[in-house]
Amino acid sequence: QVQLVASGGGVVQPGESLRLSCEAFRLTFSYYGMQWVRQAPGRGLEWVASIGYDESNIRYGESVRGRFTISRDNSKNTVHLQMSSLRPDDTAVYYCAQGPSRSDFWSGYRNWGQGALVTVSP
Amino acid sequence: DIQMTQSPSSLSASVGDRVTITCRASQGITNSLGWYQMKPGKAPERLIYGSSTLENGVPSRFSGSGSGTEFTLTISSLQPEDFATYFCLQQHRYPHTFGQGTKLE
Repeated sequence: QVQLVASGGGVVQPGESLRLSCEAFRLTFSYYGMQWVRQAPGRGLEWVASIGYDESNIRYGESVRGRFTISRDNSKNTVHLQMSSLRPDDTAVYYCAQGPSRSDFWSGYRNWGQGALVTVSP
Repeated sequence: DIQMTQSPSSLSASVGDRVTITCRASQGITNSLGWYQMKPGKAPERLIYGSSTLENGVPSRFSGSGSGTEFTLTISSLQPEDFATYFCLQQHRYPHTFGQGTKLE
């Protein structure tokens, strides 16, 4: 059973930075892209960022572009989300999710992590 | 961006009921839609992908249908463990977008 374990959440002040990590277990990590998705309190889900299996095809949602950076370390089966210039409206549970592989589009979003809570508050 | 309109936002039902949840896309997304179940404190679980393909291990009481702009998730006979929040997700085009969710209670 694939497991995605997110870490790095916490409470920060506006303008500060935070790095989330998501480690994959029982997954041939280097075959798959990875995604970050968030859910603000009382709101729906919002796609945040994605990265291809080979670090190509990096994309960002409009609300985080220029402030967040997605990266991956295939040697550690880990994807990161570096968040800078954080704002109160970035407060959310952040989920990592499996992306598609080279050969299987439908593997995208098959597995999700349990989420990491980020709170941005003065 | 492709807007996903999900309805209803909440649904009261009982064990054994048949329930249907709908997602409408603001433009055609072929069959690039999945349905997910979400419970507090747990990772979301994919139930359906490709609009109608049941994920391995998901009970057959769950089914999905639709193509283009209108999609449905049906639970044929609600079980106690099915009371959760459900959402749809379109992967047709970036930015991937989600329905607002349906809370089944």
